[in-house]
Parts: sequence; structure tokens; C-alpha cells
Amino acid sequence: GAVVSQHPSWVICKSGTSVKIECRSLDFQATTMFWYRQFPKQSLMLMATSNEGSKATYEQGVEKDKFLINHASLTLSTLTVTSAHPEDSSFYICSARDLARGQGTEAFFGQGTRLTVV
Amino acid sequence: GESVGLHLPTLSVQEGDNSIINCAYSNSASDYFIWYKQESGKGPQFIIDIRSNMDKRQGQRVTVLLNKTVKHLSLQIAATQPGDSAVYFCAENPPDSWGKLQFGAGTQVVVTP
Repeated sequence: GAVVSQHPSWVICKSGTSVKIECRSLDFQATTMFWYRQFPKQSLMLMATSNEGSKATYEQGVEKDKFLINHASLTLSTLTVTSAHPEDSSFYICSARDLARGQGTEAFFGQGTRLTVV
Repeated sequence: GESVGLHLPTLSVQEGDNSIINCAYSNSASDYFIWYKQESGKGPQFIIDIRSNMDKRQGQRVTVLLNKTVKHLSLQIAATQPGDSAVYFCAENPPDSWGKLQFGAGTQVVVTP
């Protein structure tokens, strides 16, 4: 199957700093990628849809100025958590679908990034 | 999808037995469904999918059943193995939102020897 790679796998940062998480589709092109957030023992919650070459669309309740998304190419989307605070500590996961495979096909997920804000 | 807060339902299964994991989905118009397996500290791993024009699909050791009447999905794992221990999520893809998956609450499967 297609491979989606996230970097870093984990990161610890100080409160007030910003952290950038990368999501890459390694062997396919993805005009659209998705960012999810997962708290311990909970399900994945969609945060935003990342669109190549245009602005991301955010789900209700997600602060777009806090979670900056950039999708500059068909294989890379980045999520920047700005002015991070301890409550932003979570597991962030991206997904992408292979453009060439069309609709009705599974999304491939990255391995996730564990963010801890201290 | 539903959220059950800080507690995941747990299914304890003896090694070699069959497992059945259930999921209720929310949107009657959803046309594509996926089961994912998530091990601790990792991203979701695709298991099997099914489209709304089907009611059953089989893979290797897994079967997904779809009941659109009651908006219910199930995942059956045959001859459960220790490596099957993980959290299992169902996900639905509502129409006109390709790729925007809504996840169910998840079920923790614990395989005992």
C-alpha cells in the first residue's frame, strides 16, 4: 500500500514555542491531506483538510490561527502548532489518499506525532 | 462517530477464538466504510473496507458486515492471535467529502493466552 510518513515521531517543546509537523506521501501524489488529533483513550478527531495550493479548511472549533497548515506540494503538508500550551499535548496524525486511485478508496495514515508541551 | 470520553470499551478474547467488534455509524448517507487497527503509539492501519452497495466483504481472517438499516458495522476476526491486540476503529466517509473520515469511538481488543 501507499506510504505516508510523518516527522517527527515525537517532540517535546516548551510552552509558548511553535512546533512544525510534516506529513509526506512517499510514493503517490495527494492533492488533499487530512490532519487529525487524538487524545489518550479517545478516537481520532478531524482537525482540518489540507488542500494543495490553497487554504486549508478547518473543522468547527479548531483555531486556524493556532494550527497553521501549509500544503505547498502534492506530497507535503505541514501542521504548525503556534504558541503551544500544555493542553495542545496530543497525538497528531495525518492521512492522505492516492489521487490516482480515485474515490471510494482507503486513506493511508502516517505513524503519528506525539507532541508534549511542558 | 460517537465519543465515549476517556474510556474505551474493551473486548477480551481468548487466543484462537473468533472476535466480533461492533460499531454504530452516524450518517445514513455515508457510502464508504473502513476498519482500522491502531497499536499503541502508532497511526491507524487499514484492515478492510466496504462500500454501501455491499453488506459483506471478506479478507484474510477478517470479515466486515454492513447493516444500513440500523447503521451498524461489525468486524469479525477469525482465530484471534496475540498480534491482534490493539484498538479497532470503524470510520465512515460521508458523501461529497472524499477522505474526511469520521471515526467511531474505538474498541480495545485484548487477546489472552
